Amino acid sequence: QSALTQPPSASGSPGHSVTISCTGSSSGIDNFNYVSWYQQHPGKAPKLIIYEVIKRPSGVPDRFSGSRSGNTASLTVSGLQAEDEADYYCSSYVGRNNYVFGSGTKVTVL
Amino acid sequence: QLQLQESGPGLVRSSETLSLTCSVSGGPISRSSYYWGWIRQPPGKGLEWIGSIYQSGTSYLNPSLRSRVTLSVDTSRNQFSLHLTVTAADTAVYYCARDADNSGSFDYWGQGALVAVSS
Repeated sequence: QSALTQPPSASGSPGHSVTISCTGSSSGIDNFNYVSWYQQHPGKAPKLIIYEVIKRPSGVPDRFSGSRSGNTASLTVSGLQAEDEADYYCSSYVGRNNYVFGSGTKVTVL
Repeated sequence: QLQLQESGPGLVRSSETLSLTCSVSGGPISRSSYYWGWIRQPPGKGLEWIGSIYQSGTSYLNPSLRSRVTLSVDTSRNQFSLHLTVTAADTAVYYCARDADNSGSFDYWGQGALVAVSS
């Protein structure tokens, strides 16, 4: 199972929004409601910020939102802040008890 | 507050078996419907799911690693473990994490353990 496709990089100015896409080549994103997003700062463990496509864990700001259209999931970060500069990874259940992560996107706050 | 901590060797020889243990504190590993997973990240690269295990010992493995990986769980010690027969390509930071409902959403993570494979 190949990794989900994400753009290598994305950027935005403070206070603006950035949207990251996550595309699957086979069944997964469009067939199951198990898409997650993680934020990872350098040298740190990933942090869950979105699960089941659109849900936010307790304590995650509502500036982070998830969505899906067909076989593409998206993460939008609104009101960009300096601390949002990090790597972001999507993941999805792809059936047969198998999970796949995305290739990762580096977000830069200009 | 749930905490996870990986432990194991930092250096392993190619073709040998890497064994990593994740010690869980702040709650029983056998609680509710939690699954416990392993994820790795080669230096400078992305994340890869290795596999997940339930308290009963039922495990699900990444098909690309299935022939070289086994997972085990010890509820009496509140630990679960990864065993991987390694090659140089397995050099990575290895994370253990909790999947609260077997949905692939890992909400608690260990700090990670760097494992280098020497030839």
